[in-house]
Amino acid sequence: DAGVIQSPRHEVTEMGQEVTLRCKPISGHDYLFWYRQTMMRGLELLIYFNNNVPIDDSGMPEDRFSAKMPNASFSTLKIQPSEPRDSAVYFCASSLSGGSNQPQHFGDGTRLSIL
Amino acid sequence: AQSVTQLGSHVSVSEGALVLLRCNYSSSVPPYLFWYVQYPNQGLQLLLKYTTGATLVKGINGFEAEFKKSETSFHLTKPSAHMSDAAEYFCAVSDSGGGADGLTFGKGTHLIIQP
Repeated sequence: DAGVIQSPRHEVTEMGQEVTLRCKPISGHDYLFWYRQTMMRGLELLIYFNNNVPIDDSGMPEDRFSAKMPNASFSTLKIQPSEPRDSAVYFCASSLSGGSNQPQHFGDGTRLSIL
Repeated sequence: AQSVTQLGSHVSVSEGALVLLRCNYSSSVPPYLFWYVQYPNQGLQLLLKYTTGATLVKGINGFEAEFKKSETSFHLTKPSAHMSDAAEYFCAVSDSGGGADGLTFGKGTHLIIQP
């Protein structure tokens, strides 16, 4: 079975540019999560969706960050304009409905470097 | 609010020796607890989880963890370390209150296996 698919795997761009990260969750999963991983702060939840609707975006660092889920099989995380401090690994995860006891399945991440 | 503390950012053991990775949590409601493993350049994979019932939980690759409510702990163990166990390990907690909140992760423990 296909797992969570993220693209691109690596992204290097200059500050000020728009960056779009993409995620395809596991088919049938109702929840989708975006995380950011850095050495300093570890893994942080940015936002999560239930049935394509954003539920909690309190972890989104600034207005420069936005996330959408136009359908059950696709989500994007956009940074505009990007800054060097946004450099991190961004993970997407999905899980089945049924409450918070369901394990989350992670993609392999997008390693983002902002120069 | 929930939090997770993993004692020791790095743990080094000899091949064949006992592995013990420590995790303590705080939660205002009965927690759901998880251990994830991350290999280089990959996403997180679920090792095991505790939701309800038996407090000793067995996971993949010979790992197990015991939920001790009185100690607010969920330490991860493996009787005999293998070279392939070298990775980053994350303890995580979620809220059993019914909402599908994202996971709150510990900072991670890097497990080093000495030959």
